[in-house]
Amino acid sequence: GAVVSQHPSWVICKSGTSVKIECRSLDFQATTMFWYRQFPKQSLMLMATSNEGSKATYEQGVEKDKFLINHASLTLSTLTVTSAHPEDSSFYICSASGQGNTDTQYFGPGTRLTVL
Amino acid sequence: GENVEQHPSTLSVQEGDSAVIKCTYSDSASNYFPWYKQELGKRPQLIIDIRSNVGEKKDQRIAVTLNKTAKHFSLHITETQPEDSAVYFCAAWGGKLQFGAGTQVVVTP
Repeated sequence: GAVVSQHPSWVICKSGTSVKIECRSLDFQATTMFWYRQFPKQSLMLMATSNEGSKATYEQGVEKDKFLINHASLTLSTLTVTSAHPEDSSFYICSASGQGNTDTQYFGPGTRLTVL
Repeated sequence: GENVEQHPSTLSVQEGDSAVIKCTYSDSASNYFPWYKQELGKRPQLIIDIRSNVGEKKDQRIAVTLNKTAKHFSLHITETQPEDSAVYFCAAWGGKLQFGAGTQVVVTP
């Protein structure tokens, strides 16, 4: 149990376009979802926390107008990178909690974004 | 906010030897400390975790210790195998996960 999926697994886009990444909890209701960004050879950095039906809480330094997060249901959260630029190229990983302890997070497989 | 420091950044060990990774945290309110193993291009995989009401936890070749007073926690891997080679991250939870910088572990046969 406690499976989280992400789609797409990788995406290449042109500079200036927008990209949407989906994060789904497949077999449990995710009351909270988290979005992380990981640059090569670096750690995971939390971007934002979203609770179903509420506005996301963004970490300091993360532009909320650039990284749009929607958590419309207990099994789906989306991250939209608007007007993507090469510096947005990264590995984006979501996680979800809601099964068992609220601090236990289940990670998605990640999405590799490359902006040309 | 929480700050997690992790050492060493790289660790090379001979197969069969032990590996130890140490982390410190700053927020005394943090109460959950997971350890993750991440292979290149893949998701972090939870390998062991410990809560603040426990001092030590073991699962086969992996053990974690927690010293709340000193705000230290450590990962111990015994009898290392080549498949243990990966990047390991510690993390601390105080309402959200704060990750350490990671340790690249290389186990040589």
